[in-house]
Amino acid sequence: DTGVSQDPRHKITKRGQNVTFRCDPISEHNRLYWYRQTLGQGPEFLTYFQNEAQLEKSRLLSDRFSAERPKGSFSTLEIQRTEQGDSAMYLCASSIDRVATGELFFGEGSRLTVL
Amino acid sequence: AQRVTQPEKLLSVFKGAPVELKCNYSYSGSPELFWYVQYSRQRLQLLLRHISRESIKGFTADLNKGETSFHLKKPFAQEEDSAMYYCALGSQGAQKLVFGQGTRLTINP
Repeated sequence: DTGVSQDPRHKITKRGQNVTFRCDPISEHNRLYWYRQTLGQGPEFLTYFQNEAQLEKSRLLSDRFSAERPKGSFSTLEIQRTEQGDSAMYLCASSIDRVATGELFFGEGSRLTVL
Repeated sequence: AQRVTQPEKLLSVFKGAPVELKCNYSYSGSPELFWYVQYSRQRLQLLLRHISRESIKGFTADLNKGETSFHLKKPFAQEEDSAMYYCALGSQGAQKLVFGQGTRLTINP
């Protein structure tokens, strides 16, 4: 399967702990996106990379959140000192082109539960 | 600011009936609109985009700039159309999509 893959699929953690999610995009895609989705809501944009450069961050991305894409391939999203409000599905997507003409290919998501 | 509104969280119709999922957007520039769909236990995927002006799985959507709408329509619903549908907006030159809250469509036999 050459689709977008995310790991882990599920993570349960205690409040205050750090968690890290990994996303492997489709290999030829240079754009990578992180979205967050809570129950009953649509995906909310968090951040976006073009190759290794992080070009845009949402105000939703507090200083406890950090994302990297060190070699322009896989990406990690780390949440430090987790809070119960961080519980959500974290979606990764990649595309080969800008969103207007390119299609976003989504992963299956990483579900975070903070106790 | 860009905003997408899907007024119906739930929509239920009978098989063979017409279906319309509503989407309204707020954006002052030239918008680029999409519909994404998520079937049960599958990942979110693109259904159609307005620039393509094509019919996918019998669905069509017309961009109405006067009413700032991009409603999704299908004349005869099928059971396999049951899914979560999201309308999404990309502003001109933007590098991200803004999604609506989604509409869960259920097709009753």
